[in-house]
Amino acid sequence: EPEVTQTPSHQVTQMGQEVILRCVPISNHLYFYWYRQILGQKVEFLVSFYNNEISEKSEIFDDQFSVERPDGSNFTLKIRSTKLEDSAMYFCASRYGQDNISPLHFGNGTRLTVT
Amino acid sequence: ILNVEQSPQSLHVQEGDSTNFTCSFPSSNFYALHWYRWETAKSPEALFVMTLNGDEKKKGRISATLNTKEGYSYLYIKGSQPEDSATYLCAFIGHSSASKIIFGSGTRLSIRP
Repeated sequence: EPEVTQTPSHQVTQMGQEVILRCVPISNHLYFYWYRQILGQKVEFLVSFYNNEISEKSEIFDDQFSVERPDGSNFTLKIRSTKLEDSAMYFCASRYGQDNISPLHFGNGTRLTVT
Repeated sequence: ILNVEQSPQSLHVQEGDSTNFTCSFPSSNFYALHWYRWETAKSPEALFVMTLNGDEKKKGRISATLNTKEGYSYLYIKGSQPEDSATYLCAFIGHSSASKIIFGSGTRLSIRP
């Protein structure tokens, strides 16, 4: 069964550095998402992406964050100038989405640790 | 701010017992609701997609109901087994922003053998 893959599984970075988290969504899916979960807290919506542009973003997704689909298969989340509070598990998800109700398929997540 | 609430936060149930928990969401803007199961060290997996008021979905021993008028959904597990231990998440999709899927905080279920 096709799956969403994320790399790396764990990323450690120093405060102020830029990180890029990578995802390969399921190939026929149309909507792509990034979520994060800070330890002990709920899964938070960051951004959704459709037709090569952001369709929705949350208040968390400020100018520090950007997303890109550079080559038709990868979907990346870039965090510029990371802060300690960016430490979290970041999940990529995709869904077919044509009917607007199809469920999300998640990757296994990237644990980001900012020191 | 869109609020999707789940209760209880955690639940400990004896193997063989049945259990249920709740997801509440804004009733005025409802489009669809998802339920996911999230086992430790894995990623969340979809259980149900619910769209219509009065919907009832079933998958083995797990079922879910939906009341869009009052803004809640129940998830039921009949005859709990150790493999049911997981966090159960509901996720809300509203009419006004159908690409934004908002999760509740989850109910962590532990089954005691």
